[in-house]
Amino acid sequence: DQQVKQNSPSLSVQEGRISILNCDYTNSMFDYFLWYKKYPAEGPTFLISISSIKDKNEDGRFTVFLNKSAKHLSLHIVPSQPGDSAVYFCAADDFAGGTSYGKLTFGQGTILTVHP
Amino acid sequence: NAGVTQTPKFRVLKTGQSMTLLCAQDMNHEYMYWYRQDPGMGLRLIHYSVGEGTTAKGEVPDGYNVSRLKKQNFLLGLESAAPSQTSVYFCASREGLAVSYEQYFGPGTRLTVT
Repeated sequence: DQQVKQNSPSLSVQEGRISILNCDYTNSMFDYFLWYKKYPAEGPTFLISISSIKDKNEDGRFTVFLNKSAKHLSLHIVPSQPGDSAVYFCAADDFAGGTSYGKLTFGQGTILTVHP
Repeated sequence: NAGVTQTPKFRVLKTGQSMTLLCAQDMNHEYMYWYRQDPGMGLRLIHYSVGEGTTAKGEVPDGYNVSRLKKQNFLLGLESAAPSQTSVYFCASREGLAVSYEQYFGPGTRLTVT
């Protein structure tokens, strides 16, 4: 049972436009959410995160929005750049539960391609 | 400061063979994790360790064993490889459990079992 789902396997956008990547979760115990970026032949790298007590977190061109009632989060990249082309993974943690020990539950990933 | 390194980068095994994947981190991190990445499945946790000498099962532990004899190393073993273990394996480490602590990943080991 996939507790974190990214239903769009791929997304293609034009340079300068907005990229919106979506993620849904089913486990209501998740209280901390992260986005990771992965280039080919490299490990994932942390991009941005959000706690469940917030509904928005911004870092430069990247903004993550959280809708707890819908169990949905999204990553907005504005403006998109060709260097943003990568696989983006959504991940979730049951931090407040005290027993997750930092274990992350990942979505399937979305391949973002930004065309010049 | 090399971060998280993984050895080997690539390996081809025949069914039934055994091997050990090595993960090393030079950041003195307490927590270490092994994930596998498969198409359409994202990353799934195999085993993890909350400190030297400790190990625990993750989501998909069957067919794997781990050891953490030294704080900086986390070994993943396959005793009798199966084609279903064909995957990309990522190791990660983390200094602490506060949300401010980031989980750092190694570059991955691509394993093919024929």
